[in-house]
Amino acid sequence: DIQMTQSPSSLPASVGDRVTITCRASQSISSYLNWYQQKKGKAPKLLIYTASSLQRGVPSRFSGSGSGTDFTLTISSLQPEDFAAYYCQQSYSTPYTFGQGTKLEIK
Amino acid sequence: QVQLQQWGAGLLKPSETLSLTCAVYGGSLSGYYWSWIRQPPGKGLEWIGEINHSGNTNYNPSLKSRVTISIDTSKNQFSLKLGSVTAADTAVYYCARVFDLYTGYDYFYFDYWGQGTLLTVSS
Repeated sequence: DIQMTQSPSSLPASVGDRVTITCRASQSISSYLNWYQQKKGKAPKLLIYTASSLQRGVPSRFSGSGSGTDFTLTISSLQPEDFAAYYCQQSYSTPYTFGQGTKLEIK
Repeated sequence: QVQLQQWGAGLLKPSETLSLTCAVYGGSLSGYYWSWIRQPPGKGLEWIGEINHSGNTNYNPSLKSRVTISIDTSKNQFSLKLGSVTAADTAVYYCARVFDLYTGYDYFYFDYWGQGTLLTVSS
């Protein structure tokens, strides 16, 4: 299985901050990398697919980059509704696997 | 707008079988894979497996011996059965659509999700 490792696990931040979450794959996965946001008690929501493509309806302050083994999710200016958990997920091969998550918390 | 609505038993005893169903509204099962994903309380996401409209399945090897995913195209539904549950299977279970962005290569991602069903396994 391809292991996905996110850092940090927890990220205290303030409204207006620029934040970056990283995701590393245990082997090269090209651009087969997706990002999801999950708010408490809700299903995950797709933000970014193929490493850098913004899902319809997702604000442009979210962006993704990377290829191979190293990827980043950046939020350019944090809004109150962005405090949530974020997960990366590889779709290079089954079993599809997720990172352990990054919890974005209010500082 | 595609919507996934899921249901099933929320409390089981060890060794019993989990049975969940996911109905798809506003879209067809055809042309997609449909997945089950779970999340233990306070933990991350684990992919369980998937099925397409033809009944072709892929399972996570870690659960394969206990999992069956089936599909009923006449009802626009797909289902999950997980046998011999233990406390380790306590989790929120989600159904999701697997979108295939084909650009010469297949790029898959989960674009629509059900609301989630909490399964608690306790004697």
